[in-house]
Amino acid sequence: AQSVTQLGSHVSVSEGALVLLRCNYSSSVPPYLFWYVQYPNQGLQLLLKYTTGATLVKGINGFEAEFKKSETSFHLTKPSAHMSDAAEYFCAVSFNDMRFGAGTRLTVKP
Amino acid sequence: DADVTQTPRNRITKTGKRIMLECSQTKGHDRMYWYRQDPGLGLQLIYYSFDVKDINKGEISDGYSVSRQAQAKFSLSLESAIPNQTALYFCATTLAKNIQYFGAGTRLSVL
Repeated sequence: AQSVTQLGSHVSVSEGALVLLRCNYSSSVPPYLFWYVQYPNQGLQLLLKYTTGATLVKGINGFEAEFKKSETSFHLTKPSAHMSDAAEYFCAVSFNDMRFGAGTRLTVKP
Repeated sequence: DADVTQTPRNRITKTGKRIMLECSQTKGHDRMYWYRQDPGLGLQLIYYSFDVKDINKGEISDGYSVSRQAQAKFSLSLESAIPNQTALYFCATTLAKNIQYFGAGTRLSVL
């Protein structure tokens, strides 16, 4: 069975600062890993995904994530936060079904 | 038009009532899912379906049932709604183990 743990339910950064959202997973088979973003009153949208191959994955809006098998991690980063990045972010792991973390709400301060 | 459409978008109902949430998709995907979202809990899988004849329980299926009427349609029913089923419900579709595409959600309140 697979599961996902997101460390920190709330993260607050200043505009222009580094964004780091943490995700650790457990899976009995090689996982597919995803980050989704949810803006208020909307469904989830894919930011990026890792399936196989290159462990550093680039997504939309300047986000990227690195798959580290030894650490069972898939942390999401963005070098410089923008006000429009304020949203809730979900890490997910997929095998036959998809399991989501509890989410991290990102606040960006001016 | 949206690829994944959920109806209704908002619903208020009373305890004990039967309610159905509907989902339709135009992506041609085989796999469809129902989730509920509660603050601080992320998305919890209720049911999922790999094709019309294949229905599977998720993490929290008690109190819910589903019907896959066609490849494009997957309905979620609450036979006798209770207040702790108040939540935001999402339908999603995917092709194999890949990206899930979500509907805009149904906000359900059970009084």
